[in-house]
Amino acid sequence: KNEVEQSPQNLTAQEGEFITINCSYSVGISALHWLQQHPGGGIVSLFMLSSGKKKHGRLIATINIQEKHSSLHITASHPRDSAVYICAVRLRAGGTSYGKLTFGQGTILTVHP
Amino acid sequence: DTGVSQDPRHKITKRGQNVTFRCDPISEHNRLYWYRQTLGQGPEFLTYFQNEAQLEKSRLLSDRFSAERPKGSFSTLEIQRTEQGDSAMYLCASSLLAGNHNEQFFGPGTRLTVL
Repeated sequence: KNEVEQSPQNLTAQEGEFITINCSYSVGISALHWLQQHPGGGIVSLFMLSSGKKKHGRLIATINIQEKHSSLHITASHPRDSAVYICAVRLRAGGTSYGKLTFGQGTILTVHP
Repeated sequence: DTGVSQDPRHKITKRGQNVTFRCDPISEHNRLYWYRQTLGQGPEFLTYFQNEAQLEKSRLLSDRFSAERPKGSFSTLEIQRTEQGDSAMYLCASSLLAGNHNEQFFGPGTRLTVL
């Protein structure tokens, strides 16, 4: 079982719909990242969370540390939101925050006009 | 441009050849990471540096792979005797280690195709 699991793997939506992508992890973490990857490979960091909720424009990210779960929401989705969304965690072990990221497999989002 | 840059963006090589990729991190960032991403998968950790010290290497990094960051600035990743299974996107990221804040900024990646 992967340490970071995302669902769904593929998501198709109509423009304007509210979208939720989920991420569950099985290890202790110091932070969770939501990343966006467009065709061609470039990765952009959307959020870094260690607790609570963050909002940026139409994007909202939440994390529940006790349940080891995070969600990324997109309100009023638009075709330009079409991309791969990746959840990644920075592991914590014995009080040490490890720098490297462990990634989920990504969610392919397609928003149709 | 103040972002992470990688060179080349694309590399096509024949099996058995050696290839070298370069990553230039954001200038004040002391941590530099290499990841590999195969088609349809999330990235996987390969190795990372803090300044010039290589602090961790993944088991994915076979003896054919070597990474350096000689002056604590740019880094190179070399793959010797390439195999078709090495075909992937190689991603570099950098961060500034400061307390708990360690947001990583990614470069555009180098896409390697081994024929």
